[in-house]
Amino acid sequence: SQKIEQNSEALNIQEGKTATLTCNYTNYSPAYLQWYRQDPGRGPVFLLLIRENEKEKRKERLKVTFDTTLKQSLFHITASQPADSATYLCAFGMDSSYKLIFGSGTRLLVRP
Amino acid sequence: SAVISQKPSRDICQRGTSLTIQCQVDSQVTMMFWYRQQPGQSLTLIATANQGSEATYESGFVIDKFPISRPNLTFSTLTVSNMSPEDSSIYLCSVVEGYTFGSGTRLTVV
Repeated sequence: SQKIEQNSEALNIQEGKTATLTCNYTNYSPAYLQWYRQDPGRGPVFLLLIRENEKEKRKERLKVTFDTTLKQSLFHITASQPADSATYLCAFGMDSSYKLIFGSGTRLLVRP
Repeated sequence: SAVISQKPSRDICQRGTSLTIQCQVDSQVTMMFWYRQQPGQSLTLIATANQGSEATYESGFVIDKFPISRPNLTFSTLTVSNMSPEDSSIYLCSVVEGYTFGSGTRLTVV
């Protein structure tokens, strides 16, 4: 069956460092991949979308890579700040239906 | 991107009762999605709601348990029927426009 895996353990880093989160998938050929931020008690907030024919996408301090050979996406936050502390979700989708399959998320803690 | 108003934000309900969750979008959208997020789990798609047609349910979800209405292009409701404690979750609506989610409804069934 289709499966998306994100590191269930929290990532704890020092302010100013680069946070790198991983999303792996199996038995799936997504057309695109998305990353969301979710704060406690809130709905997910869309951050970035990268398509299967794109290797890398950037937005301000955020960078996403998509390796269809490794079946993996990496999500980087450079110059991390305590305000970046949240749970980050990856999700795969197929253009034809717009349905998304989500990973369980990785909690990021940025220490001041 | 769209803005979604979802309510209620939370509720505590008795088992055997039903709760209707509403999502209002500030613009017309073709498709609306309803997700469930169980404690510590990822989001799982319940159904896709298109205006003017029956909702399409994902495997494991049925209309009798989760009836959905989509009376127009800006509004949808999800009802959680005959609730049991296992239905305690966060329920979220979403639209493609801006990949926007509502703020969620935290449901606790006692």
